[in-house]
Amino acid sequence: DQQVKQNSPSLSVQEGRISILNCDYTNSMFDYFLWYKKYPAEGPTFLISISSIKDKNEDGRFTVFLNKSAKHLSLHIVPSQPGDSAVYFCAASAPGMIQGAQKLVFGQGTRLTINP
Amino acid sequence: NAGVTQTPKFQVLKTGQSMTLQCAQDMNHEYMSWYRQDPGMGLRLIHYSVGAGITDQGEVPNGYNVSRSTTEDFPLRLLSAAPSQTSVYFCASSYSPPLDENTGELFFGEGSRLTVL
Repeated sequence: DQQVKQNSPSLSVQEGRISILNCDYTNSMFDYFLWYKKYPAEGPTFLISISSIKDKNEDGRFTVFLNKSAKHLSLHIVPSQPGDSAVYFCAASAPGMIQGAQKLVFGQGTRLTINP
Repeated sequence: NAGVTQTPKFQVLKTGQSMTLQCAQDMNHEYMSWYRQDPGMGLRLIHYSVGAGITDQGEVPNGYNVSRSTTEDFPLRLLSAAPSQTSVYFCASSYSPPLDENTGELFFGEGSRLTVL
């Protein structure tokens, strides 16, 4: 039962254009969402996050949008650069069994390729 | 700035062997966790800890044991390796469980690639 889904395994975008990566979730208890970026042979690195009380968070070229009614979030990268080529994971946080603890549930990842 | 350090980076085991993946962080983080990454499955949480002496199971805990005797270290033990445990393993830590924006960032190690024959 995949609670966080990234239905596009790959995405190819021309340099300078907008990249839009999508993520859907099923668990209405998720209250915090994050995007991570991963280069080959490296660990994922944090990119941007959003809490469920907001519908948008922006950081430079990166913007995350959250649509709670649709249980959908998206990451927009504008303008896309060759260095953005990586695998992007969305993740959601739900309360864990230990009081106050939360744990992240990740999607399958989308491989973004930026073409010059 | 070491951050999160995982050892070994690569390991080949035979079915039934045991081993421990080591994870250490020098950022005084309370929260540590182990994930495995498999093709088409993304990152799946194995076990996590919110502090020394406190651990809990994630999505895929079977076949793995953890303990947290210090803030810095969070080893992952495979007691009897199986081919299904062939994967890339990531250790991660953060200041606290994600509570609001900019405090829930996980810092990941570089990964440990394990092959079980």
